[in-house]
Amino acid sequence: AQSVTQPDIHITVSEGASLELRCNYSYGATPYLFWYVQSPGQGLQLLLKYFSGDTLVQGIKGFEAEFKRSQSSFNLRKPSVHWSDAAEYFCAATSGTYKYIFGTGTRLKVLA
Amino acid sequence: DAGVTQSPTHLIKTRGQQVTLRCSPKSGHDTVSWYQQALGQGPQFIFQYYEEEERQRGNFPDRFSGHQFPNYSSELNVNALLLGDSALYLCASSVGLSYNEQFFGPGTRLTVL
Repeated sequence: AQSVTQPDIHITVSEGASLELRCNYSYGATPYLFWYVQSPGQGLQLLLKYFSGDTLVQGIKGFEAEFKRSQSSFNLRKPSVHWSDAAEYFCAATSGTYKYIFGTGTRLKVLA
Repeated sequence: DAGVTQSPTHLIKTRGQQVTLRCSPKSGHDTVSWYQQALGQGPQFIFQYYEEEERQRGNFPDRFSGHQFPNYSSELNVNALLLGDSALYLCASSVGLSYNEQFFGPGTRLTVL
């Protein structure tokens, strides 16, 4: 069955430190991959997406993600975290339809 | 340019009741999808509407039904509410049936008592 796994439920980092959020997928073929951010009481905002081509994808707010086919992973990174990055982050995938499969999310806490 | 809008923002119902949630897609979008996000979980796909027809459906019972209107707006109906239906319901809009980026609304928080 198709699935998306985010192994880390909670992550805490200090402001200014680097960040990496993990995402693994299980699909028959390479899916389209996404990272979304959700602040409390808000909807989902797209940070970046991967369809094909360059495996390092740049997104908004200084985020980037690297697609690794051999590891079935699409990890999100940021070199220096800001307090405003505290939120919940979701990895999602689709085989090409609008039926996205989401991971369970990683809640990021940023220490001042 | 208005994004995806949803109403109401919050809703409280009791078990056994019926509820209708509404979604207006982003301007120029004609496809609407609905997701259920339970507390502490990622969103789960309910169904997708295009040209006023349900095109894809996730693993949800028939108590969950929907409708799309000629102006592309959409309703999600849930009958015989259960406590487990308490969740944030997200609407997403996009263009056409071939994949394009989805834009999500802020959601409707449904509480079933």
